[in-house]
Amino acid sequence: GAVVSQHPSWVICKSGTSVKIECRSLDFQATTMFWYRQFPKQSLMLMATSNEGSKATYEQGVEKDKFLINHASLTLSTLTVTSAHPEDSSFYICSAREGGGYGYTFGSGTRLTVV
Amino acid sequence: QKEVEQNSGPLSVPEGAIASLNCTYSDRGSQSFFWYRQYSGKSPELIMSIYSNGDKEDGRFTAQLNKASQYVSLLIRDSQPSDSATYLCAVNNQAGTALIFGKGTTLSVSS
Repeated sequence: GAVVSQHPSWVICKSGTSVKIECRSLDFQATTMFWYRQFPKQSLMLMATSNEGSKATYEQGVEKDKFLINHASLTLSTLTVTSAHPEDSSFYICSAREGGGYGYTFGSGTRLTVV
Repeated sequence: QKEVEQNSGPLSVPEGAIASLNCTYSDRGSQSFFWYRQYSGKSPELIMSIYSNGDKEDGRFTAQLNKASQYVSLLIRDSQPSDSATYLCAVNNQAGTALIFGKGTTLSVSS
């Protein structure tokens, strides 16, 4: 079945620094990738949708200059949290969908802690 | 605003019983519906997907969809302690692109 690899699985960074999270589709071409954020005991909140080669579409309330998304190839999307602050600490999960497909494959998630 | 509503629970059932999880959604244009299971600290894993009105069965799981009532449910038969998790209902948006998640229902199966 479809596999999405997400790295790192966890990261601790200092306040003010930037962190990059990678999401790779291993055995299919991901036309569309999605980035979610999940706070403790909350549901997954969609942050942005990205199509290969296009600018990401951000959900209302998500700062596009703070959460930089790059989807330069059909197998790789990255999320960079710039100038991270403690309130950005969360569980970030990517999801990918193959072109024309109905299924969504999720990465294993990245636990970000900003200290 | 598009919404997916679930009872947060916890829903507690004894081992071997049937667990019934419910979900309502607001976007009448939604066409795809999913149930995910999420263990604490882990990513969601797909349990069932359903696209047409009626029932869809897969092993101990049955998904039910009623588009007129904007309602989707998940039944878990012969519940096991290993089924204890948070169950997330997800609905695609009208554009058919992203998934919108409910807050999840926490299920606890006691042995």
